[in-house]
Amino acid sequence: GAVVSQHPSWVICKSGTSVKIECRSLDFQATTMFWYRQFPKQSLMLMATSNEGSKATYEQGVEKDKFLINHASLTLSTLTVTSAHPEDSSFYICSDTDRGETQYFGPGTRLLVL
Amino acid sequence: AQSVAQPEDQVNVAEGNPLTVKCTYSVSGNPYLFWYVQYPNRGLQFLLKYITGDNLVKGSYGFEAEFNKSQTSFHLKKPSALVSDSALYFCAVRGNKLVFGAGTILRVKS
Repeated sequence: GAVVSQHPSWVICKSGTSVKIECRSLDFQATTMFWYRQFPKQSLMLMATSNEGSKATYEQGVEKDKFLINHASLTLSTLTVTSAHPEDSSFYICSDTDRGETQYFGPGTRLLVL
Repeated sequence: AQSVAQPEDQVNVAEGNPLTVKCTYSVSGNPYLFWYVQYPNRGLQFLLKYITGDNLVKGSYGFEAEFNKSQTSFHLKKPSALVSDSALYFCAVRGNKLVFGAGTILRVKS
């Protein structure tokens, strides 16, 4: 299956700072990537669909000015949590998809906002 | 809109025994169904999928799943459980996007 990397794997930051998370598709060029959020002992919630060269599509209830997504190349999508607050603490996971409709997920980024 | 139900929060199995993790779905049109496994503090690993073809799908690590259209189910199975199978399992269905069930914790005891 496809390989997806994320960086950093974990980050601790102070409230009010911005945090950037990178997601790389290592096996192929991904025109579409996805960002999910997972709270402890809960399922994954789709935040947004990242489209290479165009604006991301956000799910209802997700603040696009809070969670900035950039997909500037076919192998890299970034999620920036702006002015992070403790309630933004979560596990963020990205994924890409092959032509066979299967989504492959990165290892996740644990964000803790103090 | 599509949805997935995993009725069991947790499944406990003795090592060597067969295991089943249940999943039912709702989607318009032909279902694309997936199973993923998640280990603590890790992303999701793809196990298997059903798109079309045989109702019994074989996947990674000896897992298989049976697609049942009449019951709208896609239960995950393994003939002989291993302690290392203990993890969180997610069923997912793709309609216009991939939607996950709530997850089922599998605990395999030696």
